[in-house]
Amino acid sequence: EDKVVQSPLSLVVHEGDTVTLNCSYEVTNFRSLLWYKQEKKAPTFLFMLTSSGIEKKSGRLSSILDKKELSSILNITATQTGDSAIYLCAVRTQGGSEKLVFGKGTKLTVNP
Amino acid sequence: GAGVSQSPRYKVAKRGQDVALRCDPISGHVSLFWYQQALGQGPEFLTYFQNEAQLDKSGLPSDRFFAERPEGSVSTLKIQRTQQEDSAVYLCASSLLALGVFNEQFFGPGTRLTVL
Repeated sequence: EDKVVQSPLSLVVHEGDTVTLNCSYEVTNFRSLLWYKQEKKAPTFLFMLTSSGIEKKSGRLSSILDKKELSSILNITATQTGDSAIYLCAVRTQGGSEKLVFGKGTKLTVNP
Repeated sequence: GAGVSQSPRYKVAKRGQDVALRCDPISGHVSLFWYQQALGQGPEFLTYFQNEAQLDKSGLPSDRFFAERPEGSVSTLKIQRTQQEDSAVYLCASSLLALGVFNEQFFGPGTRLTVL
């Protein structure tokens, strides 16, 4: 059974801190790994990673995939209160319906 | 509309009632997904449509769950004889293209179903 595990499940930091969120996976026929940010209800897309070692960056957020270790990290530098959200990691597998297999998420709280 | 919309946003049902949840995908999007998100959990896949064809329903938890997309646009997820364990947020997502090409999935705000 395909599985995605995220850690930590929750994290509380102060504004300006840097955080690293972890995602590991065990899936058959890996295709890509995606990160989403979920505030209130709808997850919004952050990154898609398909190749090992290539960092994706958007502002203060960056992510990298390690296919040998079957894992990915999401870094957020100089955190702001607006970064408070649940960060979801999901994996797409080849074949089938392109469904996403999600982890439970990491709940990040950034305090002023 | 600019994004995926879902209705109702909140639904309270008594155990045993039937419910119908609606999803309006982004216009022109071929693919449509339904996910179930229980409290404190990540979304779990329920079913997938490519246009009007339901190509994968492997995630539907029981035969009480039924989804349709008769004209390849709006989709309805129906849950018959609701049980308390059906309480969750039901998320709909759509993507522009069909299988085989990376498509970002755009999520709707979800319907929070509470079964009493």
